Amino acid sequence: SQQGEEDPQALSIQEGENATMNCSYKTSINNLQWYRQNSGRGLVHLILIRSNEREKHSGRLRVTLDTSKKSSSLLITASRAADTASYFCATDEDDYKLSFGAGTTVTVRA
Amino acid sequence: NAGVMQNPRHLVRRRGQEARLRCSPMKGHSHVYWYRQLPEEGLKFMVYLQKENIIDESGMPKERFSAEFPKEGPSILRIQQVVRGDSAAYFCASSPNKGGGTTQYFGPGTRLTVL
Repeated sequence: SQQGEEDPQALSIQEGENATMNCSYKTSINNLQWYRQNSGRGLVHLILIRSNEREKHSGRLRVTLDTSKKSSSLLITASRAADTASYFCATDEDDYKLSFGAGTTVTVRA
Repeated sequence: NAGVMQNPRHLVRRRGQEARLRCSPMKGHSHVYWYRQLPEEGLKFMVYLQKENIIDESGMPKERFSAEFPKEGPSILRIQQVVRGDSAAYFCASSPNKGGGTTQYFGPGTRLTVL
C-alpha cells in the first residue's frame, strides 16, 4: 500500500523563490527520505531524516519531520531552473522496502 | 565509482514476447531492489535480492515475472509473455547493506513499451 503522499501535486514558482512541499504517511516509520526525479530519468537521493530527528539541512534543502502528525516537509530555497523536477518522499518498510508517494512536480520559471 | 547501470534504457516488445531487464549494482553493493513506475505514479517495490537469493518478492506479480541476482553478472528482471499493462519504467536500486537508514542508489531505469 502507498505510504507517503505528497502535496501539492504540482507547484510552479519563479526562479529565486522558495518551494515547499509536504508528505504525509500512515504508519510509524524509522526513516523518511526525499528523492528527486528529472523528467525521464532515475531517482536521485536528496536527504534522509531519521524518526528521532526534527529537522535536517543539506545545501539549499531543508527537511522537517513531525512524527506526531506523521508528516514531513521539503523546502527548497532560492530555487533555480535546474530544480525543475518531480520530488518524492519515501518511507521504509521492513528496513529496505521503500514506499513512494505519487510525487510533487515542481516547475521553476526563469 | 560508476553508479547503478541498467540496460537497455528503452525496450519495445510486442504482446506475448519476453522482456529481459538488466541491472549492475554499484561496486561493493550486494543488495539489489527492483521498482516499477507507472505513468504519473510513484515507484512501487517489486523485489529485493542479495547475491543468489531472493529475499522478498512480495511486490512481484505472481505470474510471468521473475528476478535473479547470480553470483556473477547483473541482476535480471524477466517478464514473460508481456502484455500492454506491463508498459512502465522499471528501476533498479542497490545498497551496500540492509537496514534502516540505508540509502538506495537508483539506476536510470528501463522504459518498457509493449505494443
